[in-house]
Amino acid sequence: QVQLVQSGAEVKKPGASVKVSCKASGYTFTSYDINWVRQAPGQGLEWMGWMNPNSGNTGYAQKFQGRVTMTRNTSISTAFMELSSLRSEDTAVYYCATDALGGYVYWGQGTLVTVSS
Amino acid sequence: DIQMTQSPSSLSTSVGDRVTITCQASQGINNHLNWYQQKPGKAPKLLMYDASNLETGVPSRFSGSGSGTDFTFTISSLQPEDIATYYCQQYDNFPRTFGQGTKVEIK
Repeated sequence: QVQLVQSGAEVKKPGASVKVSCKASGYTFTSYDINWVRQAPGQGLEWMGWMNPNSGNTGYAQKFQGRVTMTRNTSISTAFMELSSLRSEDTAVYYCATDALGGYVYWGQGTLVTVSS
Repeated sequence: DIQMTQSPSSLSTSVGDRVTITCQASQGINNHLNWYQQKPGKAPKLLMYDASNLETGVPSRFSGSGSGTDFTFTISSLQPEDIATYYCQQYDNFPRTFGQGTKVEIK
């Protein structure tokens, strides 16, 4: 069965960077785009960007341009999302999700990133 | 960016009642709209895609309609397990954008 397993919770200081991983199994990793969505505590869903695991092509929401980098390692079927210059407002649960023709069918379990001094 | 305006932001109703949520896009998005259900502490779950297509395994009490800018999501008979927050999302343009969510509670 399809699974996306994300890395564990992180606590970071303001100004630091965080790199979240998303390991895919149960399907051909390069078949579907990976999207990243975050959710601040008690808030709604916010789309961050997408990556094509086959080509490595990416697209980011303007809000995160210059701070976010999405990459992949196809040999281990894993996608990565790195967010730099962290601030308290970046405290959120970060999700990866597969994109099948626009719908996010499979999601990771979420990774809580806490930014605190 | 396309703004997605969902209403209401919350509702409280009884088991067995019909629930209707609307989502309005700031510009036309054809039928490129999804609906998700999110329960506390869990990842969202895709319920409907292309505005009106039920994802595999989703109960038929859920339905969706609309095209262009105005969309509706309906639960025909609310069940206790439907308590959750529901989000619409457009995928016609980048950036993908979500509605602000509708929290459904039992009265």
